[in-house]
Amino acid sequence: SQQGEEDPQALSIQEGENATMNCSYKTSINNLQWYRQNSGRGLVHLILIRSNEREKHSGRLRVTLDTSKKSSSLLITASRAADTASYFCAPARYSTLTFGKGTMLLVSP
Amino acid sequence: EPEVTQTPSHQVTQMGQEVILRCVPISNHLYFYWYRQILGQKVEFLVSFYNNEISEKSEIFDDQFSVERPDGSNFTLKIRSTKLEDSAMYFCASRDGQLSNQPQHFGDGTRLSIL
Repeated sequence: SQQGEEDPQALSIQEGENATMNCSYKTSINNLQWYRQNSGRGLVHLILIRSNEREKHSGRLRVTLDTSKKSSSLLITASRAADTASYFCAPARYSTLTFGKGTMLLVSP
Repeated sequence: EPEVTQTPSHQVTQMGQEVILRCVPISNHLYFYWYRQILGQKVEFLVSFYNNEISEKSEIFDDQFSVERPDGSNFTLKIRSTKLEDSAMYFCASRDGQLSNQPQHFGDGTRLSIL
């Protein structure tokens, strides 16, 4: 299965702190994507990292990928209350995405 | 920034009735998808569509489901005879197929409630 498994299931931090979420998967991939879902809304694409990349940055987001360990991490720096959401990784070999249960991040003011 | 739009935002239907969920993908995208999310559960893939035909479908996408791209802009999901367990959020997504390694862009979903 291409499904990613996110860890932890839930994370609660204070504004200004960093949040780190991890993802593990089992198959070979072409890329790995991270998405955010606010309650009752659709998934918003955050960042895509290709299988030949090891690290990628986008604003306050930093993603790493270790294909030898089949794992990825998403770091959100200087978190804000608006970052409160569920975060999903989607390892992709072809175009179909398979989502796990996600990490529910709560950022308190 | 271009968006995927879905209508209606909420659909209430009697069990056994047909329902059509509509999506307008981003205009230059070539790949289209439907996902569903039952309340409190994870997002599940239903079907992908490319070049006017289904390219992949999941076990969930049985004979009660069909997809269509009736014109150059709309992409629809039809559930022929709805069941209580079809109650869920249904998300449409599209992807630019011109380049590899492109993300999918999701709409805000249609909440389908079957009574």
